Amino acid sequence: GNSVTQMEGPVTLSEEAFLTINCTYTATGYPSLFWYVQYPGEGLQLLLKATKADDKGSNKGFEATYRKETTSFHLEKGSVQVSDSAVYFCALSPIYNQGGKLIFGQGTELSVKP
Amino acid sequence: DVKVTQSSRYLVKRTGEKVFLECVQDMDHENMFWYRQDPGLGLRLIYFSYDVKMKEKGDIPEGYSVSREKKERFSLILESASTNQTSMYLCASSARAGNTIYFGEGSWLTVV
Repeated sequence: GNSVTQMEGPVTLSEEAFLTINCTYTATGYPSLFWYVQYPGEGLQLLLKATKADDKGSNKGFEATYRKETTSFHLEKGSVQVSDSAVYFCALSPIYNQGGKLIFGQGTELSVKP
Repeated sequence: DVKVTQSSRYLVKRTGEKVFLECVQDMDHENMFWYRQDPGLGLRLIYFSYDVKMKEKGDIPEGYSVSREKKERFSLILESASTNQTSMYLCASSARAGNTIYFGEGSWLTVV
């Protein structure tokens, strides 16, 4: 079946540190892949997405590359800020997907200290 | 901007009560979803709907039902609330499969 696995949190970094949050998936064919972010007390917002192999999604300094060979979509940022503290969710949309539902990983909490 | 509005941010209900969580989207989206979010478990899909009056079970539908009488509105119903349904509930919508899903701000439900 389809599934998403993320690295466990919480991840604690100092400001300006490099961030990697690992995400791997299991799915048939070429699903679309997403990163969502949830700031404290809020719903989820789309951070970036990629719809085919080798695509790179980017937004707000975050990047993730769709790697079919390793079934991965790792989230990276070169220099994190305190305002990046949030929970990050990796998700996939299967290729045969009536209704457009997403399958989410368990989320990774990021805490950035000044 | 797409707006998904959940009618209640915080609710406290008693065990056995019938609970309605309402969700409205303003972008004429075909698809609507109800997810439940719990620490360490991520988001789990309860029900979704890809058209008016259509509904499909997600991964954890037990104890829940839904209603979609109009395209913009998708309601989640807890027929008889139990303490294990204490959680954050997130409504979402999208235009079609593979497209961006937009979320509401969530409803925190406590069942006592």
